[in-house]
Amino acid sequence: GAVVSQHPSWVICKSGTSVKIECRSLDFQATTMFWYRQFPKQSLMLMATSNEGSKATYEQGVEKDKFLINHASLTLSTLTVTSAHPEDSSFYICSARDARLVEKLFFGSGTQLSVL
Amino acid sequence: AQRVTQPEKLLSVFKGAPVELKCNYSYSGSPELFWYVQYSRQRLQLLLRHISRESIKGFTADLNKGETSFHLKKPFAQEEDSAMYYCALIARGGNKLTFGTGTQLKVEL
Repeated sequence: GAVVSQHPSWVICKSGTSVKIECRSLDFQATTMFWYRQFPKQSLMLMATSNEGSKATYEQGVEKDKFLINHASLTLSTLTVTSAHPEDSSFYICSARDARLVEKLFFGSGTQLSVL
Repeated sequence: AQRVTQPEKLLSVFKGAPVELKCNYSYSGSPELFWYVQYSRQRLQLLLRHISRESIKGFTADLNKGETSFHLKKPFAQEEDSAMYYCALIARGGNKLTFGTGTQLKVEL
């Protein structure tokens, strides 16, 4: 089946630094990728929708200047958490939609971000 | 606005017992409903979708528009069914998947 690779799986950083998370579709082209955030024992909350070659669409309440999303190619989207603070600590998950099978979403394994 | 509710955070059953994971939704239009599963230390993956009307790993789910429910059922639970299950909704023709809070299923021997 289709695979979405998310890297890194775990990152610890100091407050004030920036962290980049990568999401790659390994064997298919993803015109659309999605970024989710999950707090402990809570649901996955959609942060933004990323379309290849265009600006991301952010959900209400998500700061676009803080969570920079770049979808430069059909197989790669990146989420950069800028000037991270402890409250940004969370589990971030990406998913990618296969351009040929638009009804199917494939998920990355997630990134646990801990900001000290 | 679309919303998905999974009232049970944890469901514990014995092996061989029937399982029903509840999911209710609110959406004014015609939704597509999905069940996703996350096994321990693995990524989230699609279990089934209501459009397919299929049975995967013995699980079935019927969309009840009158009750706005999409409960996941299996007649005989297996130990390997222990996992986190998420109900999700997408507006027909839409792009965004809305997840419920998830139910942890624990199948005991």
